[in-house]
Amino acid sequence: GQQLNQSPQSMFIQEGEDVSMNCTSSSIFNTWLWYKQDPGEGPVLLIALYKAGELTSNGRLTAQFGITRKDSFLNISASIPSDVGIYFCAGQLSSGGSNYKLTFGKGTLLTVNP
Amino acid sequence: GAGVSQSPSNKVTEKGKDVELRCDPISGHTALYWYRQSLGQGLEFLIYFQGNSAPDKSGLPSDRFSAERTGGSVSTLTIQRTQQEDSAVYLCASSFTGAPLFFGSGTQLSVL
Repeated sequence: GQQLNQSPQSMFIQEGEDVSMNCTSSSIFNTWLWYKQDPGEGPVLLIALYKAGELTSNGRLTAQFGITRKDSFLNISASIPSDVGIYFCAGQLSSGGSNYKLTFGKGTLLTVNP
Repeated sequence: GAGVSQSPSNKVTEKGKDVELRCDPISGHTALYWYRQSLGQGLEFLIYFQGNSAPDKSGLPSDRFSAERTGGSVSTLTIQRTQQEDSAVYLCASSFTGAPLFFGSGTQLSVL
């Protein structure tokens, strides 16, 4: 089946530093999504990417959809304590039928030291 | 409601008992998904409903797991004869067709 390799598994940074995490896949996806999960909550959508090469920003977050459609990265600039959480990448095929389900990476645990 | 609602938020049960988990999707969303998240792991797909189409059950781990979606809205995930390895957070999500998924807060299931 499809698998996503997400790295790093965890990061421990100082407040104000920039962060980068990425996902690679053995399969092509039509959509890449980045989610953040806080303890006791479900994942919350941060950024959705729909086109190969697309670069999208949401505040201090920037994500890119790789040209090969097999990878994506997420950058967080000037990190703050509330950025703490688990970040998941997810790939989605959207050509119809059962391909709408998301395949998730195992997550990146981000800790920000004030 | 404004978001995906799941109940109960926590469920503790004894091994061998049956449990039912409920999901109320966002109004108007045609697609509904169940995922399972074990401690420190990513999200594992279980089942997907889309409108009146036959559900994609390819992620259900065993025949003890089943789900239904009544009237194209509320969904129930049932686990029969629960085992300790079923302990996890069960997450429900909904979306418009092909659009990003929006998740509920999950049900934390603990099987003793």
